[in-house]
Amino acid sequence: SAVISQKPSRDICQRGTSLTIQCQVDSQVTMMFWYRQQPGQSLTLIATANQGSEATYESGFVIDKFPISRPNLTFSTLTVSNMSPEDSSIYLCSVVQGASGYTFGSGTRLTVV
Amino acid sequence: GQQLNQSPQSMFIQEGEDVSMNCTSSSIFNTWLWYKQDPGEGPVLLIALYKAGELTSNGRLTAQFGITRKDSFLNISASIPSDVGIYFCAGPKVNSGNTPLVFGKGTRLSVIA
Repeated sequence: SAVISQKPSRDICQRGTSLTIQCQVDSQVTMMFWYRQQPGQSLTLIATANQGSEATYESGFVIDKFPISRPNLTFSTLTVSNMSPEDSSIYLCSVVQGASGYTFGSGTRLTVV
Repeated sequence: GQQLNQSPQSMFIQEGEDVSMNCTSSSIFNTWLWYKQDPGEGPVLLIALYKAGELTSNGRLTAQFGITRKDSFLNISASIPSDVGIYFCAGPKVNSGNTPLVFGKGTRLSVIA
């Protein structure tokens, strides 16, 4: 199965600033998914990122707040913009590769102060 | 959309005891996945189920895909301290193609030595 390197693993950010999270996959994948996990909660899908097209966002998530880039089949970034304390969460990327199934990055633990 | 109801929400058990948790859905899933999340980490796949009625084991873990395709359970036998964590059931958001996952709310397991 794919191996995902996600950076940074954690960060503490000032409100009003932005943080860009990177995910690098060791093989080419068509789709990458970005999830948010708020404290004590389950994983919620933010968006699906396809290479060469705009990301598809889930209800409640918008591109201005969570812009996503997908420049090639092995890399994607998620930016959390104009952060507030409510954005404090774990952010995870994930890929799916046919029979290999789903793989997750180790997550980015974001704290906004 | 697909939604998963996972229970119990949390469990406190003695080391050596067996554990059972389950997930139900109002709609059919073609795949059931069980993940474990340790603090500060991304979810790690424990067991994947692909056929109704399938019973699969992974060491002390056993999971079954319900006949109706609307439920699944995960059993852990002879629990040990390292079983502590959050267990999530998950399934594809759409029952075809490479789609993102939807997650249950998780079962938080605590093991008392």
